[in-house]
Amino acid sequence: EAGVAQSPRYKIIEKRQSVAFWCNPISGHATLYWYQQILGQGPKLLIQFQNNGVVDDSQLPKDRFSAERLKGVDSTLKIQPAKLEDSAVYLCASSLDYTGEQFFGPGTRLTVL
Amino acid sequence: AQSVTQLDSHVSVSEGTPVLLRCNYSSSYSPSLFWYVQHPNKGLQLLLKYTSAATLVKGINGFEAEFKKSETSFHLTKPSAHMSDAAEYFCVVRNPGYSSASKIIFGSGTRLSIRP
Repeated sequence: EAGVAQSPRYKIIEKRQSVAFWCNPISGHATLYWYQQILGQGPKLLIQFQNNGVVDDSQLPKDRFSAERLKGVDSTLKIQPAKLEDSAVYLCASSLDYTGEQFFGPGTRLTVL
Repeated sequence: AQSVTQLDSHVSVSEGTPVLLRCNYSSSYSPSLFWYVQHPNKGLQLLLKYTSAATLVKGINGFEAEFKKSETSFHLTKPSAHMSDAAEYFCVVRNPGYSSASKIIFGSGTRLSIRP
């Protein structure tokens, strides 16, 4: 069974630039999560989708971050404009439903200069 | 409000000795609790989970955890450490329900080092 796929794996940008991350969850998984993991900290949930609807985006900085999950499958997370403090690993995870085990992708390491 | 506290940022044990990683939680509900492991340059992997069934939960690779409601703890243990256990471990709390209150909170992590 294929796991959660993310791209790119690494991204370096300058502050005030825009960046987008892509996630392809495990086939059939209804729930998709985006996390931000700053170096030395635990992952922080940014947004949770159930199919293509948002369940929880309370910790998403909506002035600069946006996410969508069109057709309830793939998802993209965008940052516009990026700040230095956005440097982190962005993790995508999926689960069969909102109570199920989360399977994590390898993450995208973002460096903002 | 819910929270999770991992009491040790770094634990170092000798190979073959017991492992104890401590986790305390706070929740207004009856939460689900999880332990995840993150090896260097690898994705997060579920070790075990508690979802209101048996209080002693067995996971992969010989790990287990005991849910103690009176102490609001969910400590992770293993009888005998192996070199391959060296990794970062995260305790996670999740409130039940399908609502905005059903937040997922990760602890700050405990780095486990194994001495030969």
